[in-house]
Amino acid sequence: EDQVTQSPEALRLQEGESSSLNCSYTVSGLRGLFWYRQDPGKGPEFLFTLYSAGEEKEKERLKATLTKKESFLHITAPKPEDSATYLCAVQAYSGGYQKVTFGTGTKLQVIP
Amino acid sequence: NAGVTQTPKFQVLKTGQSMTLQCAQDMNHEYMSWYRQDPGMGLRLIHYSVGAGITDQGEVPNGYNVSRSTTEDFPLRLLSAAPSQTSVYFCASSYPPGQGGGYTFGSGTRLTVV
Repeated sequence: EDQVTQSPEALRLQEGESSSLNCSYTVSGLRGLFWYRQDPGKGPEFLFTLYSAGEEKEKERLKATLTKKESFLHITAPKPEDSATYLCAVQAYSGGYQKVTFGTGTKLQVIP
Repeated sequence: NAGVTQTPKFQVLKTGQSMTLQCAQDMNHEYMSWYRQDPGMGLRLIHYSVGAGITDQGEVPNGYNVSRSTTEDFPLRLLSAAPSQTSVYFCASSYPPGQGGGYTFGSGTRLTVV
């Protein structure tokens, strides 16, 4: 069974204090790993797709990396507007459908 | 660009009532899915569709029904509501895997069953 574990569950940072969120996964035949941002009361918003170990993607203060067992979302010099829950998801081939399994997320709070 | 539109945003049902959650997308995405989000459990797949006329069950399909008569619309029907179906429901759409990008999600329907 595909599993996605995100850590920490919650993270509190001072503005400008860089850190990383972790997503470890167990899946047979990874087709893609996704990062989403979710603000309270809203649907998840797509950030990145990573397809193979060693791949990196960047967007503003966010950088996602991928190894064979985990992915990291690095946040450089965060601002209060980066406060949100960050979700990781893996896509794998399962019985004719590319199933997507989500983690439970890391709730990030950036304090001014 | 509307993206994925879900209605209603909030709903309260009595146990045993039925209702339909509406979902429409204007991006010509082939793939559409329904998820429920519960505290501490992440997003769980209820039903999905890979194209008009084609639907299948996800991880937690019991008590729900779907149909896909057009590319744009993918309604979710609750047949006889139960308190265990109290949750936030998200509709999502995407291109087929490998064609880039992830899901586009709607803003959700918060359902309470009393």
